[in-house]
Amino acid sequence: AQKITQTQPGMFVQEKEAVTLDCTYDTSDPSYGLFWYKQPSSGEMIFLIYQGSYDQQNATEGRYSLNFQKARKSANLVISASQLGDSAMYFCAMRGRRGYSTLTFGKGTMLLVSP
Amino acid sequence: EAGVAQSPRYKIIEKRQSVAFWCNPISGHATLYWYQQILGQGPKLLIQFQNNGVVDDSQLPKDRFSAERLKGVDSTLKIQPAKLEDSAVYLCASSQRQGDTDTQYFGPGTRLTVL
Repeated sequence: AQKITQTQPGMFVQEKEAVTLDCTYDTSDPSYGLFWYKQPSSGEMIFLIYQGSYDQQNATEGRYSLNFQKARKSANLVISASQLGDSAMYFCAMRGRRGYSTLTFGKGTMLLVSP
Repeated sequence: EAGVAQSPRYKIIEKRQSVAFWCNPISGHATLYWYQQILGQGPKLLIQFQNNGVVDDSQLPKDRFSAERLKGVDSTLKIQPAKLEDSAVYLCASSQRQGDTDTQYFGPGTRLTVL
């Protein structure tokens, strides 16, 4: 069974500062993928970044980077230079075996960015 | 490229009534997913289609929930009869395998309130 743990119910950060959102996972699959999604108050889940378990380098997408530590089973999201529009729920998710696998989501972290 | 479309955006019904949600995936995406997201939790997969076939419906309460994707494109999720605990956001997502990744893209969701 797969499990995603997000231990921070809420995080506060000031505009232009960096913030790290924690995610740990548990799986017995040798091959897996890790995702981060953003969910603003409007409700839509917005894909941010993906990391494959065999990727040698940490994924980056603009202001988002994924700090992937395989031995520790962690996949933390780092947002650099926070903006007011970053205020939202953030979900970490994992895909197991390839093919018809599904996503297992964590409970999410609410990020609030203040001016 | 148009995203995943869902309708309606909001629905309020009384318990024991029936309700249906519609989803049109991103053009060309073979895989379609329906998720249920209860307030304060991450999304939970209800059913996954590959083209017009069901891949995984292990978490679908089949005594009251049904879903179809007859022509392998758009899909309908139905609840009959609804219970109070069905109040949630119902998210539709679609994906198309590209190399090692199979990123899911979500629609805006339908917020269901059962009174």
